[in-house]
Amino acid sequence: EVQLVESGGGLVKPGGSLRLSCAASGFTFSTHSMNWVRQAPGKGLEWVSSIRSGSSYIYYADSVKGRFTISRDNAKNSLYLQMNSLRAEDTAVYYCTRAAANDYWGQGILVTVSS
Amino acid sequence: EIVLTQSPGTLSLSPGERATLSCRASQSISSSYLAWYQQKLGQAPRLLIYGASSRATGIPDRFSGSGSGTDFTLTISRLEPEDFAVYFCQQYGSSPFTFGPGTKVDVK
Repeated sequence: EVQLVESGGGLVKPGGSLRLSCAASGFTFSTHSMNWVRQAPGKGLEWVSSIRSGSSYIYYADSVKGRFTISRDNAKNSLYLQMNSLRAEDTAVYYCTRAAANDYWGQGILVTVSS
Repeated sequence: EIVLTQSPGTLSLSPGERATLSCRASQSISSSYLAWYQQKLGQAPRLLIYGASSRATGIPDRFSGSGSGTDFTLTISRLEPEDFAVYFCQQYGSSPFTFGPGTKVDVK
């Protein structure tokens, strides 16, 4: 069974940093691209970042480019999102998803940016 | 950036009725890299359709997707009580991999 479990969320002050992690199991992690998608409270879905299986290609939404860094450790079956210079508008539930078409989603982790 | 527009914003129907949801793109989506997701309150989204018309694993055949280029449709042939939810489309053909704003299907 495919499982994606996010961790590392919480409350952070504007300008602060957080690192999200996603532990993957139930599939061959190293052969799949992975993504982060977020959803602000009461809003729609926003694609944040994607990373190909071998980290050869990485993409970011303009809203996070230069502040967020996606990475993966295929040996640990883990996906990461380093979030720096956080803003109030980054407040959202962050989902880890598998593959270009987001065929599996984690349960999501809440990141709140507030003073 | 490809902008996706979904219509209607809200669709009010009764169980057993047919639902037709539209997703229109500002430019052609390469290789029909268009997906549909269902999201219920308090839950993570679930993939329904990928490649514009292929059902994801475990998705009932009352859900179908069609379209190409800039115009795509999700059809639910007969609404079941569990189908009342919000539906999003997303293009994953070119970065940024944008989502539409969603269509809420609620009970009439």
